[in-house]
Amino acid sequence: ETGVTQTPRHLVMGMTNKKSLKCEQHLGHNAMYWYKQSAKKPLELMFVYSLEERVENNSVPSRFSPECPNSSHLFLHLHTLQPEDSALYLCASSRGGEGSSPLHFGNGTRLTVT
Amino acid sequence: GQQVMQIPQYQHVQEGEDFTTYCNSSTTLSNIQWYKQRPGGHPVFLIQLVKSGEVKKQKRLTFQFGEAKKNSSLHITATQTTDVGTYFCSGPPNAGNMLTFGGGTRLMVKP
Repeated sequence: ETGVTQTPRHLVMGMTNKKSLKCEQHLGHNAMYWYKQSAKKPLELMFVYSLEERVENNSVPSRFSPECPNSSHLFLHLHTLQPEDSALYLCASSRGGEGSSPLHFGNGTRLTVT
Repeated sequence: GQQVMQIPQYQHVQEGEDFTTYCNSSTTLSNIQWYKQRPGGHPVFLIQLVKSGEVKKQKRLTFQFGEAKKNSSLHITATQTTDVGTYFCSGPPNAGNMLTFGGGTRLMVKP
């Protein structure tokens, strides 16, 4: 079983809705990540938090807003999404945020924007 | 920016046949990591290679890191239906620190 828990597992939302994805890690790691996985593109890194400080933001549209209140929790706030934002959103954690530590992924949230 | 390419994108094999996927980076990598994602699942870490020319084995899986630390391969001997999934390589460039994933190779095994 993964030590990274994501909720909800599935989410359907309209373009005017506001929703949040939640991620919690029980591994004592210092870094947390949001990745987007869609059929047409490889795993895309969205945001990285290391020791609760955002260290990477890969030109993600402002309709995606991350929040990391502590090293164990990570949120992705969603508002006014587009249908092309439908994808699997994966949270991951690692011991360090420098790329040398393996990632532990959660089960993901399958998001559908209607 | 850094690009990581994997070939092939898809591979169908008969159970018992061997399988190899190749990973090539546009920049030198400080390490290479391999992940497996089963259909409907999430990526799971398999192994990490750090040294130039390093070779590691996990049962029927053999992982290799190139001498120039820009390419890697994963070889599966005598595939089984449990090997079905998408295999991703990833690695941070020496000059950077964030993992970039390849597009993955989807392996399908016919029983």
